[in-house]
Amino acid sequence: DIQMTQSPSSLSASVGDRVTITCRASQGIRNDLGWYQQKPGKAPKRLIYAASSLQSGVPSRFSGSGSGTEFTLTISSLQPEDFATYYCLQHNSYPHTFGQGTKVEIK
Amino acid sequence: EVQLVESGGGLVKPGGSLRLSCAASGFTFSSYSMNWVRQAPGKGLEWVSSISSSSSYIYYADSVKGRFTISRDNAKNSLYLQMNSLRAEDTAVYYCARDVQVDPWGQGTLVTVSS
Repeated sequence: DIQMTQSPSSLSASVGDRVTITCRASQGIRNDLGWYQQKPGKAPKRLIYAASSLQSGVPSRFSGSGSGTEFTLTISSLQPEDFATYYCLQHNSYPHTFGQGTKVEIK
Repeated sequence: EVQLVESGGGLVKPGGSLRLSCAASGFTFSSYSMNWVRQAPGKGLEWVSSISSSSSYIYYADSVKGRFTISRDNAKNSLYLQMNSLRAEDTAVYYCARDVQVDPWGQGTLVTVSS
């Protein structure tokens, strides 16, 4: 099974800050990775697909990069509505696996 | 607009059974693989099971293998999860999601396993 190691598990940041979240895969997954945002009581919402493609309707301050085993989600300028938990998901092989999540909190 | 609506959740005793349903609309259901993903209270996301568009390929997480059965009815645009021998650790919100890439998602249905 492919393990996804996501870091950090939480972070505190201020509005306007640049935020970076990382996922490492235990083996190569090409670009078969998505990034999701989840707010309390809501279903996850995909932000990025194929590691670096922006989902339609998602603000351009969100970006993804990486391929193989190292992936990054970047929020260029954190906005109040971005405080949430973020997850990566690899869908290269079964079982699909999520990262442990990163909770982004207000500083 | 793509819509996925889960139903069938509720309170069940340990060892009991429950069948979840996911009603799909707004896309050609028979062309997509489908998934179940769950989230225990206060915990992260866990992929549970996937089924290919024609039901030829089915996959399960080790944590549910032998107890849960995924199925679909393409004529009814519906996805199912039969859950047997339920345990307290199966307590979670269960989401259905479309496609190998797991998007979009339904709103979820809560399953509580407790005596």
